[in-house]
Amino acid sequence: EVQLVESGGGVVQPGGSLRLSCVASGFTFDDYAIHWVRQAPGKGLEWVSIISGDGTTTYYADSVKGRFTFSRQNSKNSLSLQMNSLRTEDTALYFCTKDLAGFGAFHKWGQGTMVTVSS
Amino acid sequence: EIVLTQSPDTLSLSPGERATLSCRASQSVVSTYFAWYQQKPGQAPRLLIYGASSRATGVPDRFSGSGSGTDFTLTISRLEPEDFAVYYCQQYGSSLYTFGQGTKLEIK
Repeated sequence: EVQLVESGGGVVQPGGSLRLSCVASGFTFDDYAIHWVRQAPGKGLEWVSIISGDGTTTYYADSVKGRFTFSRQNSKNSLSLQMNSLRTEDTALYFCTKDLAGFGAFHKWGQGTMVTVSS
Repeated sequence: EIVLTQSPDTLSLSPGERATLSCRASQSVVSTYFAWYQQKPGQAPRLLIYGASSRATGVPDRFSGSGSGTDFTLTISRLEPEDFAVYYCQQYGSSLYTFGQGTKLEIK
């Protein structure tokens, strides 16, 4: 069974940093791209970033480009999202999701980790 | 960036009725890269439809997707109590992914 478990969320002041983690199991980890998708409280879904299976390619939404860095450690089936220069508008539930290869869709989702940016 | 607009924002129907949810794109979307999701309160979204019309594993056949170009539709043939939720459309293109704002399907 595919599982994705996020951690690392919390409360941080504007301008601060936070590092989210995601640990995956139940599939051949380095065969799949992984995404972060976020959801502000009471709002819709927003794609944040993708990393390729081998970790060499990343893309980011314009809203986080230059502030967030997505990386992965295939030997540990783990991923990290380093979030710097955080803004109040980054407050959201952050989901780690497994890519549906060839279809540009989000196949399996973790339960999310909450990030609150507030003074 | 391709903008997806879902309609209606809220749809009030009764169990047993047919639901039709729409998603319109600001420019043409490759059907292979179009999907629908269901989200219930306090839960992560669940992939329902990918490639515009293919059901994900375990999705009941009362759910169907159709459409192409800029207009896509999610149809639920006969609503079950567990189908009342928020539904999102999503597309991929030019290394970017966007979602619609969501349609809330509520019990009438």
